Amino acid sequence: ETGVTQTPRHLVMGMTNKKSLKCEQHLGHNAMYWYKQSAKKPLELMFVYNFKEQTENNSVPSRFSPECPNSSHLFLHLHTLQPEDSALYLCASSQDPRTDTQYFGPGTRLTVL
Amino acid sequence: ELKVEQNPLFLSMQEGKNYTIYCNYSTTSDRLYWYRQDPGKSLESLFVLLSNGAVKQEGRLMASLDTKARLSTLHITAAVHDLSATYFCAVSNSGYALNFGKGTSLLVTP
Repeated sequence: ETGVTQTPRHLVMGMTNKKSLKCEQHLGHNAMYWYKQSAKKPLELMFVYNFKEQTENNSVPSRFSPECPNSSHLFLHLHTLQPEDSALYLCASSQDPRTDTQYFGPGTRLTVL
Repeated sequence: ELKVEQNPLFLSMQEGKNYTIYCNYSTTSDRLYWYRQDPGKSLESLFVLLSNGAVKQEGRLMASLDTKARLSTLHITAAVHDLSATYFCAVSNSGYALNFGKGTSLLVTP
């Protein structure tokens, strides 16, 4: 595997389900990010982790819970989601979050019924 | 709050023509990025511009930055169908966050 990978690529869940999105980066980077891409809205940064520590939480509802066990892996745990949470969730990584280009994964297309 | 505006949001152009996409941002920034996104795919980094007057070129795409005007342009020369995609600019204000524009959906037609 190369670059940034995400699983699953597509996910359909009910509002009462609990699911997790997984991201893995194979670039040796230290920072990882979750973004939300909704139709007709700009990409929204959700969370930033640098060296496994959360450095930014962009006022994200608590029904989204990130986890970063090491610099290569990032999870987004989902529970009690709403239909408006349906979107493309993109993971990215970079060497230095303040200066370097972010490299994006292919995304998980989430549909909440 | 750093705001990023792109225009146009939609662009249909004929092959062989030239056009420019504009990216304006509201506050001082130390970095500006251009990304490309194909339908159903992820974002691909095209350019990073770090200083006033910076110009970068790759193939038929050329990006420039005017920090005084808070403006970046992405110029397309002699467009080809393969350039059809959505183009995003993103701006950093020295923090961890990148603020993205809404994207410009480009369609190049024969």
